[in-house]
Amino acid sequence: AQSVTQPDIHITVSEGASLELRCNYSYGATPYLFWYVQSPGQGLQLLLKYFSGDTLVQGIKGFEAEFKRSQSSFNLRKPSVHWSDAAEYFCAVSRDGYNKLIFGAGTRLAVHP
Amino acid sequence: GAVVSQHPSRVICKSGTSVKIECRSLDFQATTMFWYRQFPKKSLMLMATSNEGSKATYEQGVEKDKFLINHASLTLSTLTVTSAHPEDSSFYICSVLTGNTEAFFGQGTRLTVV
Repeated sequence: AQSVTQPDIHITVSEGASLELRCNYSYGATPYLFWYVQSPGQGLQLLLKYFSGDTLVQGIKGFEAEFKRSQSSFNLRKPSVHWSDAAEYFCAVSRDGYNKLIFGAGTRLAVHP
Repeated sequence: GAVVSQHPSRVICKSGTSVKIECRSLDFQATTMFWYRQFPKKSLMLMATSNEGSKATYEQGVEKDKFLINHASLTLSTLTVTSAHPEDSSFYICSVLTGNTEAFFGQGTRLTVV
C-alpha cells in the first residue's frame, strides 16, 4: 500500500534561513508526488508536483522539490524563508495524477523574525 | 485557480444528531469530488470519491451508512454525518477534480460532537 512519511511534525526557522522539509513515500512504481501548503482558514494550495521528467521541480512562492527515486524521497526546499511561509505543509502521493491522493501527516512550519 | 467553497467552516452538534457539510465548486463543473478526514496530528485520509449522478465510492473502513455522500449536481457535493458521536469529531475537507489537471481543496469543516 502507498504511504507517505513526513518525519518532522514541527520545524522552526529564522526568517531568511534556508528550509528543507522531508518527505518519504512507499510505493511500488513511480508515483505522482505533490506538496501542498495550508494556511489557517484556507484550503490546501498546490506548491508543486512531480509527474515525470526533470526530477528537480520548481513551484510557486520560491519553493522547489527534488524527486530521488533511490531514496524514495521528495523533499521540499526554499533558499530563504519569509515570515509569510509559516503554515502547514503536506506531502502527497498518488498512482493516478490528482486522483485519490495519499497525504503525509504534515509539517508545521514556524518562522521567527 | 478554481474556487471551492466548503460550508460550514465550523459546527458543533449534539451526540446523536446529523450534520450536513456542503462542498461547492464556484466557477467550474466538477464531475468528481473527494472527501477527506483529518485527525489531529494525522494525515488527511481519503474517505470517499463522489461522482456526479452516481453512488459514492467509499474507502475501506469508512462506514457508508454513517457518512452519506450526495453529489446531485456538477457543482455541489454534500457529506452528512449521521447519528454523530464524539469520535466523529474531526476536520473534514473536500477536493474537486478538474479533468485530472488539478485538484482544488475547500477550506475544511471543523466538526465537534459534544
